[in-house]
Amino acid sequence: DQQVKQNSPSLSVQEGRISILNCDYTNSMFDYFLWYKKYPAEGPTFLISISSIKDKNEDGRFTVFLNKSAKHLSLHIVPSQPGDSAVYFCAASASRGGADGLTFGKGTHLIIQP
Amino acid sequence: DARVTQTPRDKVTEMGQEVTMRCQPILGHNTVFWYRQTMMQGLELLAYFRNRAPLDDSGMPKDRFSAEMPDATLATLKIQPSEPRDSAVYFCASALFSTEAFFGQGTRLTVV
Repeated sequence: DQQVKQNSPSLSVQEGRISILNCDYTNSMFDYFLWYKKYPAEGPTFLISISSIKDKNEDGRFTVFLNKSAKHLSLHIVPSQPGDSAVYFCAASASRGGADGLTFGKGTHLIIQP
Repeated sequence: DARVTQTPRDKVTEMGQEVTMRCQPILGHNTVFWYRQTMMQGLELLAYFRNRAPLDDSGMPKDRFSAEMPDATLATLKIQPSEPRDSAVYFCASALFSTEAFFGQGTRLTVV
């Protein structure tokens, strides 16, 4: 039973355009959400996070939107660059930002086309 | 350059053999996680420690897996006996009072 779902295994976007990665969750106890980026043969690296008390968090080209009523979050990357090609994992925690384990989605492979 | 270090990077072993994976968390971090990545399940939390004490190992098959932190600079994950279905990439991650954990490069385990 996947509590965090990323329904698109892959996404192809042209360089310079906007990339939108989606994530849905089922556990209403989740109160903190994160996005991780992973290159082949490397571990995931933290990208951006959002607390459930917010609906938007922005960091440079990356913005995460949270819709609690729909149990949905999305990551926007604009403009997309070739170095953004990677697997993106959505993750969630029910620990109010504390260092407890994360529940991950299965990832979306983003491919930026030149 | 603070990073989580995992050894070995790759391990091929025969079914039934014991496998030990090691992790050196970032100095000063008080929470250490073990995750497993497979194609079917994605990234799953196996166990985690805070201040070297096990907090949650409910994601770990108890009969063959064990996780320990002999000291603050070393975490180990042991599988005995190993089975082909244990083939996966095992990640260690560490954190300090926050949810943004830092991951190591992983150990790719192949059990034949």
